[in-house]
Amino acid sequence: TQLLEQSPQFLSIQEGENLTVYCNSSSVFSSLQWYRQEPGEGPVLLVTVVTGGEVKKLKRLTFQFGDARKDSSLHITAAQPGDTGLYLCAGGFYNTDKLIFGTGTRLQVFP
Amino acid sequence: KAGVTQTPRYLIKTRGQQVTLSCSPISGHRSVSWYQQTPGQGLQFLFEYFSETQRNKGNFPGRFSGRQFSNSRSEMNVSTLELGDSALYLCASSLNSQITQFFGPGTRLTVL
Repeated sequence: TQLLEQSPQFLSIQEGENLTVYCNSSSVFSSLQWYRQEPGEGPVLLVTVVTGGEVKKLKRLTFQFGDARKDSSLHITAAQPGDTGLYLCAGGFYNTDKLIFGTGTRLQVFP
Repeated sequence: KAGVTQTPRYLIKTRGQQVTLSCSPISGHRSVSWYQQTPGQGLQFLFEYFSETQRNKGNFPGRFSGRQFSNSRSEMNVSTLELGDSALYLCASSLNSQITQFFGPGTRLTVL
């Protein structure tokens, strides 16, 4: 059973466009992380959010954790070719160190 | 600080064989987690070792096993390889929790 669903699965956009990626679950998480993975490399942690309703900004990237701690979104403003990659969300559970990864969103930004 | 290293980076095996993959964590990190990544199933947790003890385990058959040495380096072993074991195997290390972990580049295993 996949606990974390990401949408869209694939996204192809032009440089300069804005986009939002969603991460949804029926489970409540103690924390939610976002990673970016480039071909031939392992995932790189972008951000960790731990409070319901929390919003974090990392340059052109804005991350939000849902009030109920069941969902999250990643918004990229003015996308650039360097943003191309696989974006993964991962949820952490209370009283355990285990992480569950989402299904992934593959983003392609064309110049 | 050097990052997480994994060896080998690429491996080709045939069905029925066994394979051992190695992971060297970031210096000072005591937790090592292993994941399998495939296009169909995404990133799935195999197991986590902390101070030479398996602390968490995913839902994989017993053909998948691992261990951790006193220097925190870890190995995972897959016996009796199946075609479906073809995947990118990722290792991640952290000080003491999966919540803040750093991934290695992975080992690409192809089973023919």
